[in-house]
Amino acid sequence: AQRVTQPEKLLSVFKGAPVELKCNYSYSGSPELFWYVQYSRQRLQLLLRHISRESIKGFTADLNKGETSFHLKKPFAQEEDSAMYYCALSGVDSSYKLIFGSGTRLLVRP
Amino acid sequence: ETGVTQSPTHLIKTRGQQVTLRCSSQSGHNTVSWYQQALGQGPQFIFQYYREEENGRGNFPPRFSGLQFPNYSSELNVNALELDDSALYLCASSSDWLLGTDDNEQFFGPGTRLTVL
Repeated sequence: AQRVTQPEKLLSVFKGAPVELKCNYSYSGSPELFWYVQYSRQRLQLLLRHISRESIKGFTADLNKGETSFHLKKPFAQEEDSAMYYCALSGVDSSYKLIFGSGTRLLVRP
Repeated sequence: ETGVTQSPTHLIKTRGQQVTLRCSSQSGHNTVSWYQQALGQGPQFIFQYYREEENGRGNFPPRFSGLQFPNYSSELNVNALELDDSALYLCASSSDWLLGTDDNEQFFGPGTRLTVL
């Protein structure tokens, strides 16, 4: 079955510390992976996708097909990074539906 | 450019009742997807509509149904409400699923919070 696992419900770090939000997936084909973010009182929005291989707001994520992982990283966390982060995959059928993990709340302390 | 809007913002129903949730897609988008987000969970795909036809469905019973109108707005209907239907319902629109995910970012609305008592 297709599944996305985010093992940490909460990740708390101090400002300036490195951040790594973990995401593992199970999928038999070649999925497309995404990170979505939801800031307080805002709607869910796309942060980055693996296919674009870009850095957004200092965040990067590398797809590791061998380990079936797509961890989100940032070298120096900022307070404004505090939010709910969801890993998602797509490509399971023609509708390109998104399958989400349960999310990780990132709290960056001053 | 107008973003995705949803109505109502929140509502309360009792078991056995029926509910209709509405979504207006972003300007230029013809594909609408609905997701259910239970407390503490990630969004779960319900179904997708493309040019007024259902185009993919998740693991939800038939009492979850939908419509898409010629202007690409959409409705989600839930019959015979159960307590477990209490959740945030998200609508997402995208330009055209045929483009694939490379150019087919899904834009989410603010959601409708449904409480079933």
